[in-house]
Amino acid sequence: GAVVSQHPSRVICKSGTSVKIECRSLDFQATTMFWYRQFPKKSLMLMATSNEGSKATYEQGVEKDKFLINHASLTLSTLTVTSAHPEDSSFYICSARDGLESHEQFFGPGTRLTVL
Amino acid sequence: AQSVAQPEDQVNVAEGNPLTVKCTYSVSGNPYLFWYVQYPNRGLQFLLKYITGDNLVKGSYGFEAEFNKSQTSFHLKKPSALVSDSALYFCAVRVNTGRRALTFGSGTRLQVQP
Repeated sequence: GAVVSQHPSRVICKSGTSVKIECRSLDFQATTMFWYRQFPKKSLMLMATSNEGSKATYEQGVEKDKFLINHASLTLSTLTVTSAHPEDSSFYICSARDGLESHEQFFGPGTRLTVL
Repeated sequence: AQSVAQPEDQVNVAEGNPLTVKCTYSVSGNPYLFWYVQYPNRGLQFLLKYITGDNLVKGSYGFEAEFNKSQTSFHLKKPSALVSDSALYFCAVRVNTGRRALTFGSGTRLQVQP
């Protein structure tokens, strides 16, 4: 199956700093990527939908100025958590779809963010 | 709006016994249904999906699920559980039009005892 990678897998940062997380589709072109956030023992909550070459669509309640998403190419989307605070600590997971008609999403391994 | 319910936070089953993880959904339109499994500190792995056709869907690692339109359910099953099946299982749904993002259930932790 298709492979999606995320980098870094784990990051610890100080409060007030910004952190960038990369999501790459390794063997296919992803027209659409999704960013999810997962709290401990909770389900995945969709944060935003990222389409290559256009602005991301954010879910209600997600601050687009805080969670900057860039999908500059068909194989790379980035999520930047700006001015991170301890409440931003979470497990962030991206997924990618390989075509408009594709039913399947391929998930990255996730990034554990800890803000001190 | 679309939603998914997984009524059980945890399911315990003995190794070798059959297992069922329940999922019900609510959508406006025809549903596309998915099951994913998550191991600790890992992303989600695809197990199986229902798009159309046969209501009984067979997936990875011996898992299967049955789409029941009248009961709006898509329960995950396996005839004989393995200890290695212990993980967190998520049911997800989306409709075939409009927004294509998945809506996930709350997850069910499956614990298979040796």
